[in-house]
Amino acid sequence: DSGVTQTPKHLITATGQRVTLRCSPRSGDLSVYWYQQSLDQGLQFLIQYYNGEERAKGNILERFSAQQFPDLHSELNLSSLELGDSALYFCASSEQVRSSTDTQYFGPGTRLTVL
Amino acid sequence: AQSVTQPDIHITVSEGASLELRCNYSYGATPYLFWYVQSPGQGLQLLLKYFSGDTLVQGIKGFEAEFKRSQSSFNLRKPSVHWSDAAEYFCAVGVVSGGYQKVTFGTGTKLQVIP
Repeated sequence: DSGVTQTPKHLITATGQRVTLRCSPRSGDLSVYWYQQSLDQGLQFLIQYYNGEERAKGNILERFSAQQFPDLHSELNLSSLELGDSALYFCASSEQVRSSTDTQYFGPGTRLTVL
Repeated sequence: AQSVTQPDIHITVSEGASLELRCNYSYGATPYLFWYVQSPGQGLQLLLKYFSGDTLVQGIKGFEAEFKRSQSSFNLRKPSVHWSDAAEYFCAVGVVSGGYQKVTFGTGTKLQVIP
């Protein structure tokens, strides 16, 4: 158990809908990262937050957005869902972002299925 | 930009046999290297990491990895594989860019263990 929690574990929805994925980082971790894992794209970095502020963006679509709240939990919002958005979405957390020795710890993931 | 190559998509080994999973990275400076394991339906678990110092790194579950700068490699090894080691293994490289660490993952190697 990494200490990172994600809810829900599974999510099934229809095309065009909007969903919210939630992540609680390990106690004391200030950074949160979101990743998408699909069969054809592998593990893709989406976005990173540090203490409530966005710090880095990866391959995140404009239909997707995220935020980190004052209690450090984070939410990933996916809108206008398409079939191709079906994937495993992982959250990871780390102590601090300004460190070359930072290690990311991953949550169990949310499996999103878009029908 | 940094990159990670895991040349073997699938590897099959017999239980009790030794294992070596290959990882090559591309980066101009000293990278920070990680190996993660993902069991089916699970999140990624950190096996080991290399930041500096001794180039032979010991990890959990009996795994070790050796950093070879001359070969730009960070291969994962285990002397005797157990059936429970069947999983997907990801090599990752972390670099500090603009004061923040960015981690890039390889495409993964799926390990099958046969009796």
